Order: sequence, then structure tokens, then C-alpha cells
Amino acid sequence: KAGVTQTPRYLIKTRGQQVTLSCSPISGHRSVSWYQQTPGQGLQFLFEYFSETQRNKGNFPGRFSGRQFSNSRSEMNVSTLELGDSALYLCASSWGNGGDTQYFGPGTRLTVL
Amino acid sequence: GQSLEQPSEVTAVEGAIVQINCTYQTSGFYGLSWYQQHDGGAPTFLSYNALDGLEETGRFSSFLSRSDSYGYLLLQELQMKDSASYFCAVLTGGGNKLTFGTGTQLKVEL
Repeated sequence: KAGVTQTPRYLIKTRGQQVTLSCSPISGHRSVSWYQQTPGQGLQFLFEYFSETQRNKGNFPGRFSGRQFSNSRSEMNVSTLELGDSALYLCASSWGNGGDTQYFGPGTRLTVL
Repeated sequence: GQSLEQPSEVTAVEGAIVQINCTYQTSGFYGLSWYQQHDGGAPTFLSYNALDGLEETGRFSSFLSRSDSYGYLLLQELQMKDSASYFCAVLTGGGNKLTFGTGTQLKVEL
């Protein structure tokens, strides 16, 4: 069974631009969660989508948004990029019941210049 | 808010046993998970405890005490490939929101 895939794997943007990251969950999984990982702040929860609805949200500004499609694929968007947005963005998929094992994708490494 | 504490670094020799502790303060606690992450890699799931007690999976075991807001990951028969960062994470609220600790970097030496 194929794992979680994320595209692109690496991305370089400049301040003020916007970016869209994509995540394809494991087949059959209906929940997709997004996390930001930085050396200073560690792994931080951004949001979770389940059946095309945002089910949980972390403490990030409104510049961070996401959506989920009917096939469970998810995208997250960051607008008006700041230097501090440079991070590894990870998505994780699971069946969707609370407490499911979450399987992480390889991540997208975003660098903001 | 939520907070988790775990040691930043642990060093052990190959073949030894090591325990990584995690204490947490949170509301709406559902369970405690452990993840392993090698440099440059994605976090991989190791274990999940929703109830008090010990869960064993091969060389890895995880323990939870809900009354003490405490858990640990026990790694036995350490191998060089176990050198990685280990994160505890609490599951809170409905759904799959995980709040991660800052991670423990485990170094296994010969």
C-alpha cells in the first residue's frame, strides 16, 4: 500500500509570495493533519481535515489555510510568506477515528528568502 | 494550554536499555503517542497508550500513568539504527490533534 505523498518536496520562495503544498493520504484514510516543524518551535499542529471539513485547528495566523477534497487529498496554503515560515511542513493521514495511528509523509521543505 | 517535557538528549551504548520520560500538562487528554524521527526523515509511529499500563511492541515498550500525567518509552537491546529523535505527543480533543514534546535526541554509541 502506498504511503503518504507530499509535493513538492522542496520549495524556495521570497517574502510576500504565497505557496500551496499538496498531500495525498494513504488510500482509504479520511483524515489529513498538517504540522510545521522548525528547530526552534519543534513540531506544531496546524489543522486537521476530515471528510472535507476542518475538524481541529492549531494556533497559527489566518495566513495559513487548508482544504480537503472529496478524494481526501489535502492542500495547505500560506499567503504573504515571512522568513519565519521557513520550515518542514508535514502531513499525516489516518482513518479518521480519534486516536488513530497517524502516518506521516516525507514533508515539504519550504525556504523563504 | 498544553505542555510536554522530555529530556533533550540521551546517550547509551549498543545493547543497553534506555528509558525516555515524558511528563505532560494538558486538558482533554485522550492518549499518549511516541514517534521516532531520523535526521531528514518523517516521524514514524512507535506506540500509543490510552490507558494506564505498559504496551510492548518488540524491543520498544511504552508506559502511561494518567494520574501522574507521565509516560515513558523503553528501548531495549539498543542498536546503532535507534539513534534518532523521539517525540512524545498527547492526543487531545476530538479527532487527531497531536501536541508534540520538544523531542529527545538519542545517541547510541559502540
